[in-house]
Amino acid sequence: GENVEQHPSTLSVQEGDSAVIKCTYSDSASNYFPWYKQELGKRPQLIIDIRSNVGEKKDQRIAVTLNKTAKHFSLHITETQPEDSAVYFCAAGPNTGFQKLVFGTGTRLLVSP
Amino acid sequence: EAEVAQSPRYKITEKSQAVAFWCDPISGHATLYWYRQILGQGPELLVQFQDESVVDDSQLPKDRFSAERLKGVDSTLKIQPAELGDSAMYLCASSLVSGGNEQYFGPGTRLTVT
Repeated sequence: GENVEQHPSTLSVQEGDSAVIKCTYSDSASNYFPWYKQELGKRPQLIIDIRSNVGEKKDQRIAVTLNKTAKHFSLHITETQPEDSAVYFCAAGPNTGFQKLVFGTGTRLLVSP
Repeated sequence: EAEVAQSPRYKITEKSQAVAFWCDPISGHATLYWYRQILGQGPELLVQFQDESVVDDSQLPKDRFSAERLKGVDSTLKIQPAELGDSAMYLCASSLVSGGNEQYFGPGTRLTVT
């Protein structure tokens, strides 16, 4: 089955810096890669996703890149703000069908003012 | 905006007791998921429903856990008997369909087994 590894487990940056979180996956059949943000005490929420037919997707300060050959994908946050502080989870799974989504172990991002 | 509802939000129980969690997905969402999230880890799928049918329960400890979605709408997850190692956050999520679609999570039920 699918296995997703996520690094780093914690990341501290200064406000305005960039943050990068990296994930690797094992199942070459996976072609859907979402990122979820979970603020303290709140539910996980989707912030961006990418499918295997594109290599990069951007939404304002957030971007995700995908390298299917190497089986890794990354989340990039530019101009970080204190409200970006949260735990971020990557996941990998199918674009269609019933095969499950597998989550990484999470990265705790702390943005200091 | 519609949200996934869960109850209770917190549950403390003694080991060997039975506990039950309830989830009401967003209206019209065919797929419902129950996840277990241990502190410091990502959500792990326990069971996935498509309408009222189970499509994946490979990680559900079936000797003590059961789940149902009788009318294809709301769902109940039960643990009997509870063990100390079951202490975790239990998250419910729903999506319009499975595969490549945004999953909307509920607030979760934090279970503590003493």
